[in-house]
Amino acid sequence: GQNIDQPTEMTATEGAIVQINCTYQTSGFNGLFWYQQHAGEAPTFLSYNVLDGLEEKGRFSSFLSRSKGYSYLLLKELQMKDSASYLCAVRDTTNAGKSTFGDGTTLTVKP
Amino acid sequence: DAGVTQSPTHLIKTRGQQVTLRCSPISGHKSVSWYQQVLGQGPQFIFQYYEKEERGRGNFPDRFSARQFPNYSSELNVNALLLGDSALYLCASSFGTATSYNSPLHFGNGTRLTVT
Repeated sequence: GQNIDQPTEMTATEGAIVQINCTYQTSGFNGLFWYQQHAGEAPTFLSYNVLDGLEEKGRFSSFLSRSKGYSYLLLKELQMKDSASYLCAVRDTTNAGKSTFGDGTTLTVKP
Repeated sequence: DAGVTQSPTHLIKTRGQQVTLRCSPISGHKSVSWYQQVLGQGPQFIFQYYEKEERGRGNFPDRFSARQFPNYSSELNVNALLLGDSALYLCASSFGTATSYNSPLHFGNGTRLTVT
């Protein structure tokens, strides 16, 4: 099975940088996804990692270490609109369609 | 282009009743998955369908069933509703084959089910 851990809450200041960590234990690994979910809305895709290293996409970057079962999402130049829940999800090897989600990290950006 | 659409947006049922939730994927997406999200938790996998066949099932009781139609739309059925079934039910579609591991999920806005 899969087990995913993320911090429950984080707070940061507008314009700053924040790193949201995710650790996972899995019997099979086929990639790690990060999603953003604003309150009352559906999750939206942010990034995907399957190989070790850093993937950069604008203000957002995501890092993966498969040997450590660890990923992080880095948000730069924080904006108020970045206040949301950030979900880490691991894709299963036994079922390509199944993603196991963490419970999300609620990020609050303050002025 | 239209995103994933789900209906209804909200639903109130009583214990023991049955409910059917509907989902239309993004045009061109052949894979549809269903997730249950309880407040304060991440989405929990219920089913995945690809090309009208069930390709995966999560740890949910047999009261939960689903199907996919030739136009790739999907229905999720829940029988004998319990209070604990109250949740946001999310449908997600993705592009590519069942083994396209890098295809992200595109979620609909969900159906908020309340069981009283």
